[in-house]
Amino acid sequence: ETGVTQSPTHLIKTRGQQVTLRCSSQSGHNTVSWYQQALGQGPQFIFQYYREEENGRGNFPPRFSGLQFPNYSSELNVNALELDDSALYLCASSTNFQGTYEQYFGPGTRLTVT
Amino acid sequence: RKEVEQDPGPFNVPEGATVAFNCTYSNSASQSFFWYRQDCRKEPKLLMSVYSSGNEDGRFTAQLNRASQYISLLIRDSKLSDSATYLCAVTLGGRATGRRALTFGSGTRLQVQP
Repeated sequence: ETGVTQSPTHLIKTRGQQVTLRCSSQSGHNTVSWYQQALGQGPQFIFQYYREEENGRGNFPPRFSGLQFPNYSSELNVNALELDDSALYLCASSTNFQGTYEQYFGPGTRLTVT
Repeated sequence: RKEVEQDPGPFNVPEGATVAFNCTYSNSASQSFFWYRQDCRKEPKLLMSVYSSGNEDGRFTAQLNRASQYISLLIRDSKLSDSATYLCAVTLGGRATGRRALTFGSGTRLQVQP
């Protein structure tokens, strides 16, 4: 196990609603990244947080927002949910080890928007 | 053209076979490379980082070819338990904003048959 945890595991929401997903990083890891994985696709980068600041963002609209807390845990918030937001949401934690940033994923939150 | 491309497969191989996957990337500035394994409806698990000199971990060997911009994964003596989707991922590397985001391919499905 990676030590990265996410909650909830599954969620069903209605179009237009808002959702908050949570992630606890592996002990000692100061960077959290969020990814969206649609069925049959590889994960797509949403954004990354390093020491409580956004440290890069993928091609996602502003209704996708996030936070990182002093203990390095993180939240992903999605407003005005759309049907296409149905996906597996993954968070990954990492830290600098000898110049590489291996990312370790949590089990994910499966979001269904109806 | 996708930034990271993989043959989706499936690769159907008998137990004990050797199988190889390639993954091409388009950004010549990419610095870090990884192979992940993903079981159905689970999170990606880091299989190995790929170093310039190539690296081996048991039955798994990864190679990097910067000139042709591809990475490869070789699995020897395939086991039934190797059946999964194999995702390659690249990053630009370094500490600057956004350079540590993973860009994934869509994955190659491997089915090892008895």
